[in-house]
Amino acid sequence: QQQVKQSPQSLIVQKGGISIINCAYENTAFDYFPWYQQFPGKGPALLIAIRPDVSEKKEGRFTISFNKSAKQFSLHIMDSQPGDSATYFCAAVNDYKLSFGAGTTVTVRA
Amino acid sequence: EAQVTQNPRYLITVTGKKLTVTCSQNMNHEYMSWYRQDPGLGLRQIYYSMNVEVTDKGDVPEGYKVSRKEKRNFPLILESPSPNQTSLYFCASSFRLTTELFFGEGSRLTVL
Repeated sequence: QQQVKQSPQSLIVQKGGISIINCAYENTAFDYFPWYQQFPGKGPALLIAIRPDVSEKKEGRFTISFNKSAKQFSLHIMDSQPGDSATYFCAAVNDYKLSFGAGTTVTVRA
Repeated sequence: EAQVTQNPRYLITVTGKKLTVTCSQNMNHEYMSWYRQDPGLGLRQIYYSMNVEVTDKGDVPEGYKVSRKEKRNFPLILESPSPNQTSLYFCASSFRLTTELFFGEGSRLTVL
């Protein structure tokens, strides 16, 4: 079963809008939470990552919010651009295992 | 150029015909792993390797084998492929899992 639950499956946002993707986990042993971005025909690439002792991390237009007590974390894409159209995967790391969410396909309309 | 190289990129085969998907990285990474990507399921870990001669099962290891005889190479072996192994496969490497994981371009496998 999926150890990391991700929603929504897909979303459409207007250029300049905010995209929000949510993830939840159960295993409290997870100690690193990366987000990966994947364009069609390519392998995923690291976008941004956070550790559970931090509640928020921002890199440019991308922000991770982390709620340790609720075992939830989310990705916010501010001022969404057409070039942000891609599939986004949240993930969680425990020892040598990396568990991915099912992915969210983001489409940014110009 | 730092990269993870997979071959073949595309393969159509028949049930039961053994095949190997090669993976090589040029970044001197200790950690390597294999994932399969299926619609609606995201990426699922098949096997991983912490270092040479050290491998372990991921979440979906059934029907697959791996070996890590050299640091740079981590081939995925399907001894007797079945149609349910039709998928997009990714190899990845990193120094450790809490750093960036570099992915290859993927290998699309179809088993008839």
